Amino acid sequence: SQKIEQNSEALNIQEGKTATLTCNYTNYSPAYLQWYRQDPGRGPVFLLLIRENEKEKRKERLKVTFDTTLKQSLFHITASQPADSATYLCASYGGSQGNLIFGKGTKLSVKP
Amino acid sequence: EPEVTQTPSHQVTQMGQEVILRCVPISNHLYFYWYRQILGQKVEFLVSFYNNEISEKSEIFDDQFSVERPDGSNFTLKIRSTKLEDSAMYFCASSEGPGWEKLFFGSGTQLSVL
Repeated sequence: SQKIEQNSEALNIQEGKTATLTCNYTNYSPAYLQWYRQDPGRGPVFLLLIRENEKEKRKERLKVTFDTTLKQSLFHITASQPADSATYLCASYGGSQGNLIFGKGTKLSVKP
Repeated sequence: EPEVTQTPSHQVTQMGQEVILRCVPISNHLYFYWYRQILGQKVEFLVSFYNNEISEKSEIFDDQFSVERPDGSNFTLKIRSTKLEDSAMYFCASSEGPGWEKLFFGSGTQLSVL
């Protein structure tokens, strides 16, 4: 079955550094990947969408890459701030189901 | 910015009781969804709804669950005969286009089944 995997449960970094989060997919080839931010007790908030024909996409301090050979997307936050601390979710089309499925997320903690 | 509204924010119920979770999607959106998240686990797809009917549902969404759009603004999830394992955060979401579009999520209803 189609899977979206985020193998790092948690990432701790120092303020000002670049955070890099990884998302891998297996058993299918999604046409796009999405990234969401989730704060405790809140619903996910959409950040970025990248299509398979786009190698890279940027939005302010955020950058997403999509490598169809490695079956992987990387999510970068440059010049990280404590306010960036949250869980970041990777998501994509659920293959035959056609609806968005989510990875388990990576909890990012940015220390001042 | 328009947002998805969910009520109540918390719901406590006894095992075996029925609950109805309510959502008001963004007004010009055509696709509606319910997801759930058990504490510490991933956000899981339950059901999608378009043009007044279910378009997709997951294995989780069995006969215990039903959805309805009773009027032009509300979208509800009914859980019959609740079980302890139904305890989770339930999120409603909506989108302008089909499932590959970005989803807008509500703040969720925390359901606790005792």
